[in-house]
Amino acid sequence: DTAVSQTPKYLVTQMGNDKSIKCEQNLGHDTMYWYKQDSKKFLKIMFSYNNKELIINETVPNRFSPKSPDKAHLNLHINSLELGDSAVYFCASSQDRGHDTGELFFGEGSRLTVL
Amino acid sequence: RKEVEQDPGPFNVPEGATVAFNCTYSNSASQSFFWYRQDCRKEPKLLMSVYSSGNEDGRFTAQLNRASQYISLLIRDSKLSDSATYLCVVNLGSGGGADGLTFGKGTHLIIQP
Repeated sequence: DTAVSQTPKYLVTQMGNDKSIKCEQNLGHDTMYWYKQDSKKFLKIMFSYNNKELIINETVPNRFSPKSPDKAHLNLHINSLELGDSAVYFCASSQDRGHDTGELFFGEGSRLTVL
Repeated sequence: RKEVEQDPGPFNVPEGATVAFNCTYSNSASQSFFWYRQDCRKEPKLLMSVYSSGNEDGRFTAQLNRASQYISLLIRDSKLSDSATYLCVVNLGSGGGADGLTFGKGTHLIIQP
């Protein structure tokens, strides 16, 4: 029974296309995130959502838009894909903000390749 | 200076040996510290938190040195299954929680038979 699941796991597409990655968590967590891990393995936060409100938005191009229909889902939509968008995108969730554990539960990742 | 720095390795270590690696952080206001483990082509998973007094979990020992702004991870009696990338993670958030987590680039450890 997967705690954080994301689809698709692999995505190969052409430059300029629009694509979405879906994420769902069944842990009852209030906060969900999207992270990007590039070819140098650097894991960087893109967005987080708490109770359907965006609470972190790092310097990410506005071609990337998170959408959260409810607290169990956080989807990532990417417009006009560029070569530099190729990376592994990880969805994650955590318990309420203010909790001290700092534990994130990650999905298995979605490997995006832009040609 | 990068927020969280680690030696990327790889560290090649024979099975059964003890290995240790450090991580330095730049923000002295950092609140909490963690080690995550990431296997090849897998997602990161929490290995252990790092407490001010130091803490141990089986063969793993984590320590924090606030004065010098570094944390360390020691692995004793290393196993082949310990081969992975170890990510140093620092929480800059004032309220705790996972919002302010900053990840290092990781240290790649290879345990050799």
